[in-house]
Amino acid sequence: QSALTQPPSASGSPGQSVTISCTGTSSDVGGYNYVSWYQQHPGKAPRLMIYEVSKRPSGVPDRFSGSKSGNTASLTVSGLQAEDEADYYCSSYAGNSIWVFGGGTKLTVL
Amino acid sequence: EVQLVESGGGLVQPGGSLRLSCAASGFIFDNYGMHWVRQAPGKGLEWVSGINWNSGSAPYVDSVKGRFTISRDNAKSSLYLQMNSLRTEDTALYYCVKGNGKYWGTTFDYWGQGTLVTVSS
Repeated sequence: QSALTQPPSASGSPGQSVTISCTGTSSDVGGYNYVSWYQQHPGKAPRLMIYEVSKRPSGVPDRFSGSKSGNTASLTVSGLQAEDEADYYCSSYAGNSIWVFGGGTKLTVL
Repeated sequence: EVQLVESGGGLVQPGGSLRLSCAASGFIFDNYGMHWVRQAPGKGLEWVSGINWNSGSAPYVDSVKGRFTISRDNAKSSLYLQMNSLRTEDTALYYCVKGNGKYWGTTFDYWGQGTLVTVSS
């Protein structure tokens, strides 16, 4: 039940693209297509942004996209906007009905 | 509109107990698995426990096994977390979270606002 590995911080200027990685193992990220990404603004509850690696829930802008290669999943935010500044967390199913989260990445819009 | 409203948090001494509750509305409660996810102050998210639609499966993170018990009452559309033998490291904001499937689903699609548990002497 080890946490997934995310970079602690990422940044980009308005209009640019930024990619956040989430590295696990073959027992979680690499073994299932059940990777999700959540956005959390300060003092707020997390919001689902991406599920099943690359699917967007209704209402999430198409500037947000997800992908996976081997044991590493990625979240890309294109056309950065000021409101995208937040903490981002990945999660994955890890088998045996267990779920794991990444440590979180603070995205700063410069 | 899906709503998840947690209650029951508070200040408790190490070794003490608390029971968290979550009142759900806006969806057919017994069609979905439910979870508790916690966030220590200034830290990241940690999955704590889940329970499937008919309470047939209820896994836990290793750090709470034998101390916490998750349960649900489908007639009341409510989720619970009984926390015993609390430790200072259990201090966190506890979120009630909906899965997107009858067993577990594939993600956590709706989150409550959380209830704060503080374990301190």
